[in-house]
Amino acid sequence: EDQVTQSPEALRLQEGESSSLNCSYTVSGLRGLFWYRQDPGKGPEFLFTLYSAGEEKEKERLKATLTKKESFLHITAPKPEDSATYLCAVQAFSGTYKYIFGTGTRLKVLA
Amino acid sequence: DSGVTQTPKHLITATGQRVTLRCSPRSGDLSVYWYQQSLDQGLQFLIQYYNGEERAKGNILERFSAQQFPDLHSELNLSSLELGDSALYFCASSVVPVSPLLTYEQYFGPGTRLTVT
Repeated sequence: EDQVTQSPEALRLQEGESSSLNCSYTVSGLRGLFWYRQDPGKGPEFLFTLYSAGEEKEKERLKATLTKKESFLHITAPKPEDSATYLCAVQAFSGTYKYIFGTGTRLKVLA
Repeated sequence: DSGVTQTPKHLITATGQRVTLRCSPRSGDLSVYWYQQSLDQGLQFLIQYYNGEERAKGNILERFSAQQFPDLHSELNLSSLELGDSALYFCASSVVPVSPLLTYEQYFGPGTRLTVT
């Protein structure tokens, strides 16, 4: 069964304390893996697209990596404004299109 | 601001009623997606339209239907509403790749919060 699993469910960090969020996936016909940031009551905001194993993307304090089974979102020296829920999603095609989101990691960065 | 607009922002209605949610995609995007987000289930893909035609279907109930109009805006119709339909409904849009081998990110609207009482 196609599945996207994110861990941990919630994470509390001190400002400046680096960490990583995990997204593991099982899907056939993967076309891309996406990371989004979602603030409470708002729509998800696009961060990164990764297409193939070994690929890495960076933006400010965030870096996303991809292997054949999982993706990591590394947060370096986070600030309180990085507090949000981070969602991982996969898009796949195996005869039909599939769009599957993980349930997210709720990140809280304390000043 | 993603460029995707959704109306209304909030909707409160009673069980058994029917509502329509509206979405306008980003300028230039031909594809529209609808998602449901509830507290216990995360974002669930409902349906995708591309240039007026249904392209993909997810976990959409038979009581729900959608369409995309010639001006590319889309409407999601929810009927015979139940308490469990209370959720945030998001619309997203994207550029559509010419091949299923390619894919692009989706840009989400601010959502419509539906409360069924």
